[in-house]
Parts: sequence; C-alpha cells; structure tokens
Amino acid sequence: DQQVKQNSPSLSVQEGRISILNCDYTNSMFDYFLWYKKYPAEGPTFLISISSIKDKNEDGRFTVFLNKSAKHLSLHIVPSQPGDSAVYFCAASWQGGKLIFGQGTELSVKP
Amino acid sequence: DTAVSQTPKYLVTQMGNDKSIKCEQNLGHDTMYWYKQDSKKFLKIMFSYNNKELIINETVPNRFSPKSPDKAHLNLHINSLELGDSAVYFCASSQVHEETQYFGPGTRLLVL
Repeated sequence: DQQVKQNSPSLSVQEGRISILNCDYTNSMFDYFLWYKKYPAEGPTFLISISSIKDKNEDGRFTVFLNKSAKHLSLHIVPSQPGDSAVYFCAASWQGGKLIFGQGTELSVKP
Repeated sequence: DTAVSQTPKYLVTQMGNDKSIKCEQNLGHDTMYWYKQDSKKFLKIMFSYNNKELIINETVPNRFSPKSPDKAHLNLHINSLELGDSAVYFCASSQVHEETQYFGPGTRLLVL
C-alpha cells in the first residue's frame, strides 16, 4: 500500500528551463510534506518543505505547491541547472511521526 | 563537519554472519531513525528512537536489533544475514516533534 507516489521515474530538462516534479498521496491525515534530493552514493539531503496549512512555499529557485483537494504536490525548479541532476524524493508525515517516501524521480538537466 | 555519520560505508559479508552498522549525529537531536532502501529504491523506515527509547518499530524481522547507547548514537545489529538483507541502510536524525530529518551517507550492505 503505497501512500506516497511519484509516477514519473525520470525527467529530462534543458538547462535554464523549468523542472516540475510531481507527487501524489492517498492519506488525508498527512500534514507535512518534504522534498529531498539525493546524489549517487550519498544520503538524501533536505531541500524544501510545506505544511498542510499552506499551498505554496518558496526558497530561491525551488518552490513547492500543495493541492490538498487533489492530494498532490509538486516541486518547481526555475531555472534548472546541471547541478540539479539528482534523484528527488517527496515524503509525507503526520503529527511529527515517521516519513513516508515516494519512490523518487531522477532528474537530468542537460546543458 | 559531518552531521550524521555512518560506519562502515560498504559492507560485504556472507550469509549467516552477524554484522553491525554504527550511526552518530552531532546535531543535538533527540530522535534517530534507521531506513532501508531496497533494490527498487524505496526508502522505508525500520526503527525510530527518541532519547534512547524505541518509539517506532515497523514490521522488521527480529534478526534486526537497534541499540541506542545515548541519544547521539543509534546502532543497527543484524543477526544471521540473508541475501534479501542486501540494501542501502540510512540513518537519520531530527529534533523531537520536528518533521525534517537529516540523513547519513548510507551503508551499502551486500550479502553473498
């Protein structure tokens, strides 16, 4: 029973363009959502998060959008850079408990 | 300065052996976790400790036993290793009641 899903295993984007990574969830109890970035042979690195009381959070080139009615969140990276090439995981939690991760989307930003 | 560190980074061993993975965090966090990333790349929580007390124990075989000697350390001991235990194991930590978790670099375990 996969409560957090990232349906696109990979995404390829040209440098300078927008990258949009998507994530869907099924459990309406989730109240906090996070995006992690992972390079090969390294641990996931926290990128940006959003509480369920918000619908948008922005940090530099990274913006996360939350649509609670659709149980959907997305991460926008503008402009995309080659160094953004990595696997991106979305994760969800409720009441400060365990994180439930999606299966990741591999982003490739081509120069 | 490594915030969350794990040793060893790589571990190759035979079926039936017993092995341990160590984790240390210097962030002053109260809560520590073990995650397993399987061959399909799913990251799944195994255990969580808060101030040396076990608070999350997912459906993990009894062969896996976490031990927290103090709140900065959470070790994972695995008995009678099986082929299916081959995976990457990540340690993480967070401040109590805060959702953001910080991960170690992972330990790549290969059971032959």
